[in-house]
Amino acid sequence: GAGVSQSPSNKVTEKGKDVELRCDPISGHTALYWYRQSLGQGLEFLIYFQGNSAPDKSGLPSDRFSAERTGGSVSTLTIQRTQQEDSAVYLCASSSQPTNSYEQYFGPGTRLTVT
Amino acid sequence: GDSVTQMEGPVTLSEEAFLTINCTYTATGYPSLFWYVQYPGEGLQLLLKATKADDKGSNKGFEATYRKETTSFHLEKGSVQVSDSAVYFCALRAGSYQLTFGKGTKLSVIP
Repeated sequence: GAGVSQSPSNKVTEKGKDVELRCDPISGHTALYWYRQSLGQGLEFLIYFQGNSAPDKSGLPSDRFSAERTGGSVSTLTIQRTQQEDSAVYLCASSSQPTNSYEQYFGPGTRLTVT
Repeated sequence: GDSVTQMEGPVTLSEEAFLTINCTYTATGYPSLFWYVQYPGEGLQLLLKATKADDKGSNKGFEATYRKETTSFHLEKGSVQVSDSAVYFCALRAGSYQLTFGKGTKLSVIP
């Protein structure tokens, strides 16, 4: 079946602009995660959604970052007033259950470059 | 907080050589442990996992054993191939839902 998809695959934006990154999880997966992969910091957790519960936003690096998940499926990560340090690959993952042993399936990522 | 430390790369091996990538962790509770692999130009894929002490995860000739006494989950393969060239990430989940990753180890296998 279809895996996790993300769009766009690449995004180049000017410093100060807002960007939206989209994630389509695997159908039926209730848990959705966003991570950021950057050269200096490795892979970092950003935010987690589980069903209709309030999201865990503990990994968001600043209030310029926000995310929503509509209808328990598609998620959008928004970065406002982008900065050069926001340049990274943004990864989305989903899993059928949020418990420890359930695999997270990752999308191909969106490479964001802020110039 | 939770953390994962893995050996820094890059690692370059000849085909058919033995591979070990060390991984140690710090976590509260009883984490599940994972190795993810990222092939060039592709997304992260789960390679193997272990959910409790002394479990051995294995896949594609790779193995790792969950050692609680040494808080380790070292990745091994007896004979690497060129197609194993990738970046390998050790990760854990403990209590919270997100994965905590090591910084990754880049493996290059030369013919």
